[in-house]
Amino acid sequence: KNEVEQSPQNLTAQEGEFITINCSYSVGISALHWLQQHPGGGIVSLFMLSSGKKKHGRLIATINIQEKHSSLHITASHPRDSAVYICAVTDYGGATNKLIFGTGTLLAVQP
Amino acid sequence: DVKVTQSSRYLVKRTGEKVFLECVQDMDHENMFWYRQDPGLGLRLIYFSYDVKMKEKGDIPEGYSVSREKKERFSLILESASTNQTSMYLCASSTGPGDTQYFGPGTRLTVL
Repeated sequence: KNEVEQSPQNLTAQEGEFITINCSYSVGISALHWLQQHPGGGIVSLFMLSSGKKKHGRLIATINIQEKHSSLHITASHPRDSAVYICAVTDYGGATNKLIFGTGTLLAVQP
Repeated sequence: DVKVTQSSRYLVKRTGEKVFLECVQDMDHENMFWYRQDPGLGLRLIYFSYDVKMKEKGDIPEGYSVSREKKERFSLILESASTNQTSMYLCASSTGPGDTQYFGPGTRLTVL
């Protein structure tokens, strides 16, 4: 079993829809990261959070430490949001700064 | 802005060749990482370095080596490329434990 699980693996939405991507993890963590990768492109860090909620534009990330669960929400989705969204966690203690990655959620937003 | 650059976007090599992938970051970051990304497997850590001349094995170091002679540069070496090393290779850097990692654009390596 993977230490970081994402759902769904694939998601198709219509422009304007509210989107939720989920991430569950089974290890103790010091931080959780949400990353975005456009087709053929590099990876960009969207959020790093260790508690509560963070918002940036139309993107919102939440984390529940007790339930070992995080969600990434996209409001008023747009075709340019189409990308792979990757959840990753930093091991508790984080001495080596290693990230443990989920396998990603492929999002396609249709106009 | 942090910038992480990789020497090539696309590379085609033959089995048995020695392959060098280079990564340079311009933000004086202590930590640098090499990952490979394969469909269905996600990102897997090959090697990382937390200081000049220091290196640590990641989850899949077999068949790879690394070099960090200068703080800004981290090289990944495939001593004798094999077809199962065909993959997307991504370099990243960060300041310290738990911090955001900044990724390069990736090198898509094909070994024939």
